[in-house]
Amino acid sequence: EIVLTQSPATLSLSPGERAILSCRTSQSVSNFLAWFQQKPGQGPRILIYDASIRATGIPARFSGSGSGTDFTLTISSLEPEDFAVYYCQQRDTGVTFGQGTRLDIK
Amino acid sequence: QVQLQESGPGLVKPSETLSLTCTVSGDSIGRGDYFWTWIRQSPGKGLEWIGYIYSTGTPYYNPSLMSRVTMSLDTSMGQFSLKVTSVTAADTAVYFCSRLRCSSSCSRGGAFDIWGQGTKVTVSS
Repeated sequence: EIVLTQSPATLSLSPGERAILSCRTSQSVSNFLAWFQQKPGQGPRILIYDASIRATGIPARFSGSGSGTDFTLTISSLEPEDFAVYYCQQRDTGVTFGQGTRLDIK
Repeated sequence: QVQLQESGPGLVKPSETLSLTCTVSGDSIGRGDYFWTWIRQSPGKGLEWIGYIYSTGTPYYNPSLMSRVTMSLDTSMGQFSLKVTSVTAADTAVYFCSRLRCSSSCSRGGAFDIWGQGTKVTVSS
């Protein structure tokens, strides 16, 4: 099973700041990595798939990069509604998820 | 607008079978490059892919669960379903149904682009 390790576990930032979230995979997943946002009581919301493609309706402040084993989700300027938990997920071999990064308001 | 809605019992006894249904509205589940998916989430294990079933009816299961899991598609009703046998407390979770949309390839990648709101299932006597 491919293990996804997200860092940091918690990130405390203020609105307007830039957030950089990391996801490392235990073996190469090529570019078959996605990012999700989840708020309490809701299902995950797709942000990015295939490493860098923004899903429909996702604001341009969200961007994804990386390939192989190292990936990054960048939120260029945080809005109040961006504070949530973020997960990465691979579908190169089976499907597995990272453990999440909680983005808190500082 | 495509929507997914899970339904089924919220409480299942240990050793019994968990059965859930996902109703899809706004699209036909028998066409298109889609995999109709079950994912669960628990505090202990986080998000866990259970499996998916392609629009033609071919299922693919998580190897760690495949001995206990069965998925099926009912295109006439616009529903797909999940059965997990011999449940234990470790199967307690919020269960989500989702749609995986293929991108450049159906064998890898793609996007879980639509999710249901989730249904909480507790395994307890």
